[in-house]
Amino acid sequence: QITLKESGPTLVKPTQTLTLTCTFSGFSLSTSGVGVGWIRQPPGKALEWLALIYWDDDKRYSPSLKSRLTITKDTSKNQVVLTMTNMDPVDTATYYCAHPVVTAPEYYFDYWGQGTLVTVSS
Amino acid sequence: SYVLTQPPSVSVAPGKTARITCGGNNIGSKSVHWYQQKPGQAPVLVIYYDSDRPSGIPERFSGSNSGNTATLTISRVEAGDEADYYCQVWDSSSDHQVFGGGTKLTVL
Repeated sequence: QITLKESGPTLVKPTQTLTLTCTFSGFSLSTSGVGVGWIRQPPGKALEWLALIYWDDDKRYSPSLKSRLTITKDTSKNQVVLTMTNMDPVDTATYYCAHPVVTAPEYYFDYWGQGTLVTVSS
Repeated sequence: SYVLTQPPSVSVAPGKTARITCGGNNIGSKSVHWYQQKPGQAPVLVIYYDSDRPSGIPERFSGSNSGNTATLTISRVEAGDEADYYCQVWDSSSDHQVFGGGTKLTVL
């Protein structure tokens, strides 16, 4: 059974760096073809794909946010970390991590975490 | 970048058929995936690769994709189907995922 759970601060100040951790179970990021992605959703708005990391440490980023995002993995801990620099109030959103079903280069998300709401405010 | 266009809202009476569209340039050449999201919950995959259904998703949910429009069809709509629905594709030109703007399905 695959599960994912996001953790991190609920409140960050403008210009700060956000660090979110996705802790998962039921699969291993050392297995070929496996990945973990991040998606966010501002309150009342649509889903926005952010980033994805593959088992071989290949990474993909949203073009519009690429300069601010870093995704890394710790295979031994079954964790994926997303950092976003220079946070702004418009980055207030629920951040989800999700498990992709990969048929490279395409994929869709079959399991999602519960999401974590991050508010950016001074 | 590739843009997916969904109607903001669709309304349907119980027992009727709801059709939610997802428009994009030559979307028929892409694989489309659909998610259902109820208030306060994470999205749930309901259709993948245009028309495949994950286990546990009722047969009432179906999908099609041709030309410039992909469609999620929900037959015999129930009150429990009321939710936001999002389409998703992979944009080969930029190598990233794209979500539509979402459609709120209201069951009258």
